[in-house]
Amino acid sequence: IAGITQAPTSQILAAGRRMTLRCTQDMRHNAMYWYRQDLGLGLRLIHYSNTAGTTGKGEVPDGYSVSRANTDDFPLTLASAVPSQTSVYFCASSVGAHSGELFFGEGSRLTVL
Amino acid sequence: GESVGLHLPTLSVQEGDNSIINCAYSNSASDYFIWYKQESGKGPQFIIDIRSNMDKRQGQRVTVLLNKTVKHLSLQIAATQPGDSAVYFCAERKSNFGNEKLTFGTGTRLTIIP
Repeated sequence: IAGITQAPTSQILAAGRRMTLRCTQDMRHNAMYWYRQDLGLGLRLIHYSNTAGTTGKGEVPDGYSVSRANTDDFPLTLASAVPSQTSVYFCASSVGAHSGELFFGEGSRLTVL
Repeated sequence: GESVGLHLPTLSVQEGDNSIINCAYSNSASDYFIWYKQESGKGPQFIIDIRSNMDKRQGQRVTVLLNKTVKHLSLQIAATQPGDSAVYFCAERKSNFGNEKLTFGTGTRLTIIP
């Protein structure tokens, strides 16, 4: 059982470039999330999707966009990367929008130079 | 402002001893609390949760205590093992009826000394 699959695992990116982080789940969960993790700041919610076809803004949405065309996929796009977006990005899913049990992927480490 | 935070950023415990990880919260409207464990290089993993109408909940080797009077949450791990070495996060949610999402604390690193 794969659970949550993220790609790429790691990426170095020049500032100003466009980048899409991929996230796929095979648990048929309704809700999906994107978090960034920075030292000393914990996990901060970027965007979420309560169900396929809907998305919402989290705590730190600026500079990021998401789409939820189907249940399984929830890509995160950085339209024009900046160094402050250097972080580890985690995708997660939960059975429903009100579930506190999130299932996380292994993370995507992004470095913007 | 409202925050979810931890009293100590690091904690070292002798293998076999019990450990207690603490978490303070300031949002009195929070009704649901969760503990996550994150091992090095991996994503966070759900450990245990507790609702605000409870003050204690037990799992396998873990117990979560909630003191709403002083807005304090703790995770007790019994008979610690090397595999317990990780960063532990508490998280809170304001309400189950709106669209509130989890807010995570900054984490405590637990190191088990052999």
